[in-house]
Amino acid sequence: AQSVAQPEDQVNVAEGNPLTVKCTYSVSGNPYLFWYVQYPNRGLQFLLKYITGDNLVKGSYGFEAEFNKSQTSFHLKKPSALVSDSALYFCAVRDPGHYQLIWGAGTKLIIKP
Amino acid sequence: SQTIHQWPATLVQPVGSPLSLECTVEGTSNPNLYWYRQAAGRGLQLLFYSVGIGQISSEVPQNLSASRPQDRQFILSSKKLLLSDSGFYLCAWNFGRQETQYFGPGTRLLVL
Repeated sequence: AQSVAQPEDQVNVAEGNPLTVKCTYSVSGNPYLFWYVQYPNRGLQFLLKYITGDNLVKGSYGFEAEFNKSQTSFHLKKPSALVSDSALYFCAVRDPGHYQLIWGAGTKLIIKP
Repeated sequence: SQTIHQWPATLVQPVGSPLSLECTVEGTSNPNLYWYRQAAGRGLQLLFYSVGIGQISSEVPQNLSASRPQDRQFILSSKKLLLSDSGFYLCAWNFGRQETQYFGPGTRLLVL
């Protein structure tokens, strides 16, 4: 069965430190990969996506993600965390043959000053 | 540029009452449209999606239904709400299978 795993329910990082939010997937073929962020009581905002090409993808707000096909991972990273990065982060994957996204359960990122 | 609207922003309804949530996209034509529900501020569950007027695909059997009466309008309905229908309802749009989905601001529904 196709699935997306975000193994950490919550990640705590000190402001200024690098952050990583993990995502692994189980989808056949060459899936499309996405990261979204959600602030409290708001809709989801698109951060970045990988379709093809360079494994390191840069997105909004200084975030980047690295696609690793052998490990079927797409971890979200940022070199220096800001308190304003505190939010809920979702990884999503799409089988190219389908319209539907397969979503991870979300990771709550808390950046402490 | 494209904009997606949802209303109402917040809704409190009694059990057994009907429901109608509306989603409208501006600045584009023939988008794919999606309804999601998010429970307890976590995972998203795809409820319905539509690739054209009158075309609705249902992902989860339940007491909700969706309609697309116009190209850029997507409506989520229920004849009788259940307590379990409480949640945060999100509408999204995109073009084609490859493109990113963009989300509306959401409607928070509380069924009492």
